[in-house]
Amino acid sequence: NAGVTQTPKFRILKIGQSMTLQCAQDMNHNYMYWYRQDPGMGLKLIYYSVGAGITDKGEVPNGYNVSRSTTEDFPLRLELAAPSQTSVYFCASSYSHSRPGELFFGEGSRLTVL
Amino acid sequence: AQTVTQSQPEMSVQEAETVTLSCTYDTSESDYYLFWYKQPPSRQMILVIRQEAYKQQNATENRFSVNFQKAAKSFSLKISDSQLGDAAMYFCAYRKANTGNQFYFGTGTSLTVIP
Repeated sequence: NAGVTQTPKFRILKIGQSMTLQCAQDMNHNYMYWYRQDPGMGLKLIYYSVGAGITDKGEVPNGYNVSRSTTEDFPLRLELAAPSQTSVYFCASSYSHSRPGELFFGEGSRLTVL
Repeated sequence: AQTVTQSQPEMSVQEAETVTLSCTYDTSESDYYLFWYKQPPSRQMILVIRQEAYKQQNATENRFSVNFQKAAKSFSLKISDSQLGDAAMYFCAYRKANTGNQFYFGTGTSLTVIP
């Protein structure tokens, strides 16, 4: 059981470039999330999805876009990368119909924008 | 909005000793879930322990236990017989039950284990 898989694990971007962070889960979870974690800080929610075709903004959505065409996949798109987007990105999923429905995390993607 | 507060940015403990990490939260809900996650240097977030608010009994997972005080909105994590592998960042998290689709995290406590 792979759980939550994120790719790539590391990436260096130049200012203005775009890229997509991929996230897939094989647990049939309906909820999926993208968080960013800046050095020494906690997690900030970027976007989340409660099911295929449904997405919503979190705390820090500016500069990002998401889509959820299938239950399994939840890619995060960075448009026009800026140094402020240098961070570690975590994808996570949970199943709302179970108690307590904890979050399962991917291993994280370290992104550096130069 | 719900808030989760971890007032100890850093803690240290001698190997084999016991340490308690603090967490308080603010909510008007009666049914919710609380979690402690561990983030070692490898940065993978790992679930340590979870508590359902309607359960009065404190959760326990081997050397990890919680002290859940619902009226005080407090959810502390106790690590007994600390091991070098317990060194990590620990995050407290809250989720509302039923329709709760968002998790709220504290800012974390960095735990150092001294050999």
